[in-house]
Amino acid sequence: SQQGEEDPQALSIQEGENATMNCSYKTSINNLQWYRQNSGRGLVHLILIRSNEREKHSGRLRVTLDTSKKSSSLLITASRAADTASYFCATPPSGGYNKLIFGAGTRLAVHP
Amino acid sequence: GAGVSQTPSNKVTEKGKYVELRCDPISGHTALYWYRQSLGQGPEFLIYFQGTGAADDSGLPNDRFFAVRPEGSVSTLKIQRTERGDSAVYLCASSLTPGGDYGYTFGSGTRLTVV
Repeated sequence: SQQGEEDPQALSIQEGENATMNCSYKTSINNLQWYRQNSGRGLVHLILIRSNEREKHSGRLRVTLDTSKKSSSLLITASRAADTASYFCATPPSGGYNKLIFGAGTRLAVHP
Repeated sequence: GAGVSQTPSNKVTEKGKYVELRCDPISGHTALYWYRQSLGQGPEFLIYFQGTGAADDSGLPNDRFFAVRPEGSVSTLKIQRTERGDSAVYLCASSLTPGGDYGYTFGSGTRLTVV
């Protein structure tokens, strides 16, 4: 079963535009993580936000977390063609911290 | 090594055969995870090791799937009597802490095709 669900499923933008992806989850969490995947192979950890944090930045990435709405968003500013990938949110399941449950992902295409 | 290594990168096998997929985690990472990913889907949890023991195998789909980590480092995922539905990318990840407080490091995966 999925803990997180990303929205939209697919996003197509032009280089230089901002890309926003959303994630909703079902149960209480202690952290939420975002990963990127190129070409359907290994995932790369982008950023982790803890339940007591509301916003976090890393380079061109900005992540927000709203625990009252059980949602998170990932913003990529000034997108580049190299940002084309699938993006996944992942959370530990309720009551457990020993694994991450991933959503189905958002497929981002950035056109030159 | 510097990253998580998975071998082979691709495996084609006939229905009914036995396969082994290997994962070599980052040195010092005590937590190791196996995931399975089908096309267009997110990774699906299979099993989690803390050291040598399987702390959570609730994601293994049936008894044809088994995994070991005898010395607390390299892990092998074993699939018996493979079926076409087992075709997927099998991903291994490791982390410094069980909860992945600093994120997981994933390998590049093994693409398994059962024909």
